[in-house]
Amino acid sequence: KQEVTQIPAALSVPEGENLVLNCSFTDSAIYNLQWFRQDPGKGLTSLLLIQSSQREQTSGRLNASLDKSSGRSTLYIAASQPGDSATYLCTPSADRGSTLGRLYFGRGTQLTVWP
Amino acid sequence: NAGVTQTPKFQVLKTGQSMTLQCAQDMNHEYMSWYRQDPGMGLRLIHYSVGAGITDQGEVPNGYNVSRSTTEDFPLRLLSAAPSQTSVYFCASSYRAGGLTFYGYTFGSGTRLTVV
Repeated sequence: KQEVTQIPAALSVPEGENLVLNCSFTDSAIYNLQWFRQDPGKGLTSLLLIQSSQREQTSGRLNASLDKSSGRSTLYIAASQPGDSATYLCTPSADRGSTLGRLYFGRGTQLTVWP
Repeated sequence: NAGVTQTPKFQVLKTGQSMTLQCAQDMNHEYMSWYRQDPGMGLRLIHYSVGAGITDQGEVPNGYNVSRSTTEDFPLRLLSAAPSQTSVYFCASSYRAGGLTFYGYTFGSGTRLTVV
């Protein structure tokens, strides 16, 4: 069974810092990996999707890398802002058989950026 | 607006009552799924569907039923509500682009259910 671990569990930083959120997963046989953010009391908003054949994806101040063979993904947030405060979730998806496309979740990283 | 719509947003049930959580998407996505989110835990898969008429169990299916009669709708039924089913429920959809290529998921805004 795929296990997802995100480190740190919580992070509190002043505005302007560059951040690194780490994700590790136990089964490297993934189809793709998606990063979401979840605001308190809200649903999940997709940030970036990396296919298993890709090494990284960028969107604005966000950059996600994927090392499939070692079971790791990293989300970089440049010049953090208070609006980035949310819980960030890394979700690899299964690549085979009856579980194709299924997402796996860890507990996420709770980020607080203060002015 | 295009996306995944969940209703109701909030619901309080008494133990033993039944109800249906609604989920609809207008993006013609084949793949739909239900998750529950509990404090201190990651989202857990309840049931999923890879197309109309096809459903399968996820990680925590007990106490829930689903059906998929159309591409757009994927309702989740609680047969006899229990306090352990107090949770936030999310519906999600995804699509395939040729063959088995799955792309990103879109989530609904959730249904917060309390069973007393």
